Amino acid sequence: DIQMTQSPSTLSASVGDRVTITCRASQSISSWLAWYQQKPGKAPKVLIYKASSLESGVPSRFSGSGSGTEFTLTISSLQPDDFATYYCQQYNSYPGTFGQGTKVEIK
Amino acid sequence: EVQLLESGGGLVQPGGSLRLSCAASGFTFSSYALSWVRQAPGKGLEWVSIISASGGTIYYADSVKGRLTISRDNSKNTLYLQMNSLRAEDTAVYYCAKSMLAGTLRACLDNWGQGTLVTVSS
Repeated sequence: DIQMTQSPSTLSASVGDRVTITCRASQSISSWLAWYQQKPGKAPKVLIYKASSLESGVPSRFSGSGSGTEFTLTISSLQPDDFATYYCQQYNSYPGTFGQGTKVEIK
Repeated sequence: EVQLLESGGGLVQPGGSLRLSCAASGFTFSSYALSWVRQAPGKGLEWVSIISASGGTIYYADSVKGRLTISRDNSKNTLYLQMNSLRAEDTAVYYCAKSMLAGTLRACLDNWGQGTLVTVSS
């Protein structure tokens, strides 16, 4: 099974900061990676799919990059609405796996 | 508008059974793979199972294999999760989710239900 490792687990940042979250796969998953945002008490929402494709309606300050085993989610200028937990997920093969999550907190 | 509405959660004793349902609308149900994802209280997301559009291909997480069974009824636009031999560690909010692309398992999850809470406790 493919393991997904996210870092950091927690990130403290201020409004306007550039934020980067990393996700590493235990073996190559090509570009079959998605990023989700989850707020407390809510279902996750997809932000990025196929490593770098922006889901419709998602602000352009979110971007994804990478392929193979190393991936990043970048928020170019953190906004108040972006304080949440972010998860990567590989869907190259099943069982599908999520990273453990990165909580973005207000500094 | 895509809607996914889970039901069937509740309190069950260890070793007990429960069946979750996910009623879907707003898309061609029979064309999309569907998944169950769970989240234990205060923890991260855990992928549970996926079923192909036809129901012919199914995968499970190792942690639930042999105890949880995914199925679908394309005539009723409903996804199910039969949960047997439940353990305390199965306590979680269970979400159903739709694959983004029709006709393939290789797709992310673009629509999610609101979740239903399953609590396994004596």
